[in-house]
Amino acid sequence: AQKITQTQPGMFVQEKEAVTLDCTYDTSDPSYGLFWYKQPSSGEMIFLIYQGSYDQQNATEGRYSLNFQKARKSANLVISASQLGDSAMYFCAMRILVSGNTPLVFGKGTRLSVIA
Amino acid sequence: EPEVTQTPSHQVTQMGQEVILRCVPISNHLYFYWYRQILGQKVEFLVSFYNNEISEKSEIFDDQFSVERPDGSNFTLKIRSTKLEDSAMYFCASSAPGYEQYFGPGTRLTVT
Repeated sequence: AQKITQTQPGMFVQEKEAVTLDCTYDTSDPSYGLFWYKQPSSGEMIFLIYQGSYDQQNATEGRYSLNFQKARKSANLVISASQLGDSAMYFCAMRILVSGNTPLVFGKGTRLSVIA
Repeated sequence: EPEVTQTPSHQVTQMGQEVILRCVPISNHLYFYWYRQILGQKVEFLVSFYNNEISEKSEIFDDQFSVERPDGSNFTLKIRSTKLEDSAMYFCASSAPGYEQYFGPGTRLTVT
């Protein structure tokens, strides 16, 4: 079974600063994908970034980057140049990559608050 | 940009009543999912659906739940006899094979 751990229930960051949201995972399967989703107060789940277990480079999407350390089983999300609109819940998730599509397993989330 | 849609956005029902939550997945996606999120908690998988049948379900998805794809576009989740603990946000998601899952905006279900 897969498990995602997010140890930071809440984080604060000053506007325009960078922030790292921690995520560790556990799985015995060698082929897996790691995902980050953003959930603003309106409730929808917004896909941010994806990292495959065999990807050689860390994923980046605009101001989001994923610091993937396979040996440590960590997949931290880095948000650069924080904006007020980044205030939201952030969920780390994973799924095993097999034929077909497997369900996502989520962590408990981290609430990020960006301060002006 | 194509998106997953869900109706209604908010449903209030009395305990013991049946509810049907509706979703329209992205049109070229083949895999469909239901997740739920109890207020303040993490998102939990309920069921996945492919080729007109359930491909995987969690322990939460008991006999009170059922899913259906009644036509070529809709994907529904039915709860036969709602309980107070069914109050949650229910998310529908869809994906193409091997790609990320795209979530709908959710239906907030309140059972009174």
